[in-house]
Amino acid sequence: GAVVSQHPSRVICKSGTSVKIECRSLDFQATTMFWYRQFPKQSLMLMATSNEGSKATYEQGVEKDKFLINHASLTLSTLTVTSAHPEDSSFYICSAREETNSGANVLTFGAGSRLTVL
Amino acid sequence: AQSVAQPEDQVNVAEGNPLTVKCTYSVSGNPYLFWYVQYPNRGLQFLLKYITGDNLVKGSYGFEAEFNKSQTSFHLKKPSALVSDSALYFCAVRGQAGNTPLVFGKGTRLSVIA
Repeated sequence: GAVVSQHPSRVICKSGTSVKIECRSLDFQATTMFWYRQFPKQSLMLMATSNEGSKATYEQGVEKDKFLINHASLTLSTLTVTSAHPEDSSFYICSAREETNSGANVLTFGAGSRLTVL
Repeated sequence: AQSVAQPEDQVNVAEGNPLTVKCTYSVSGNPYLFWYVQYPNRGLQFLLKYITGDNLVKGSYGFEAEFNKSQTSFHLKKPSALVSDSALYFCAVRGQAGNTPLVFGKGTRLSVIA
């Protein structure tokens, strides 16, 4: 089945630094990938939709200059948390949908990246 | 706008008993409905989905869900719970039009007690 790899799984950084998280579709091409954020004991909040070859679409309230998304190829999307602060500490999860003729394709999720900003 | 409601934060059930995790949704037009499970510090794993056709959908690990259009519900069920089923369960919906994103419920924590 479809596999999405997310790296790193855990990262600890100092306040003010930037952190990059990678999301790769390993055995399929994904023109669209989705980035979610999950707070403790809460649901997944969609942050942005990453579109290959074009700008990402951000959800209301998500700072696009803070969370930079690049989808340079059909198998890779990256999320960069710039000038990270402790309140950015969270569990970030990416997902991708295999492109087929069916519109109801299942989203495959990465294992998530836990970011801790000191 | 799309939305999903999971009215229970926590569901406790004894091992061997049937379990139900509730989900209702709101979407324009016909829905695609999904259930995902999340184990601690992990991403989400797909359980099952409803697209069209038979209202009763069978998925992984013995789980099933029934689509009820009149009640806009998609409750997750399993005839006999296992301790290993203890996890966080998310219901999700997306409309059939275009490349709309998946919207998740807030999740229900299932605890199966031996």
